[in-house]
Amino acid sequence: AQSVAQPEDQVNVAEGNPLTVKCTYSVSGNPYLFWYVQYPNRGLQFLLKYITGDNLVKGSYGFEAEFNKSQTSFHLKKPSALVSDSALYFCAVRDIGNQFYFGTGTSLTVIP
Amino acid sequence: GAGVSQSPRYKVTKRGQDVALRCDPISGHVSLYWYRQALGQGPEFLTYFNYEAQQDKSGLPNDRFSAERPEGSISTLTIQRTEQRDSAMYRCASSLGTGGEKLFFGSGTQLSVL
Repeated sequence: AQSVAQPEDQVNVAEGNPLTVKCTYSVSGNPYLFWYVQYPNRGLQFLLKYITGDNLVKGSYGFEAEFNKSQTSFHLKKPSALVSDSALYFCAVRDIGNQFYFGTGTSLTVIP
Repeated sequence: GAGVSQSPRYKVTKRGQDVALRCDPISGHVSLYWYRQALGQGPEFLTYFNYEAQQDKSGLPNDRFSAERPEGSISTLTIQRTEQRDSAMYRCASSLGTGGEKLFFGSGTQLSVL
């Protein structure tokens, strides 16, 4: 069965510091991995995806994610956090049937 | 349209009533997905369509839930004989192709069953 796990419900980071939001996955076959962000009272917005190729994927708003096959992880990163990055972040995996499975989300708070 | 549009934005209903939730995807988007999201949780897959064909309905909780997309564009998620446990945010998403590219989400319909 396909699944993703986000082990941290909450991540706090000071503005200007690097941030990491963790995600591990379980999938049959090659993983198609995604990160989405949800701002209050808004729908989820696509940040980035990994399908194949370079393990480091760059996405919107300066975010990037590193695919690690041996650790089955796809952690979201940003070198310097902004207060406006505070939101709910979801990791997702797509299976061969084109279903998307989402993690439970990590609430990121960037402290000024 | 410019984005995925869902209506109504909020729906309050009494237990036992039927409700219909509407999703208007981005024009030209082939795939349409329905998700349910409880507070503090990630979206839970319900069903999805490619064009007008329902590809997978394994996520629908029971036979009170159904969905259709008769002309391959607008979709309706119907919940019959609503129960309090059906209360949640119902989200629709669409994607341009059938290859599982990124999803574009609507703002959702918040359903409250009293």
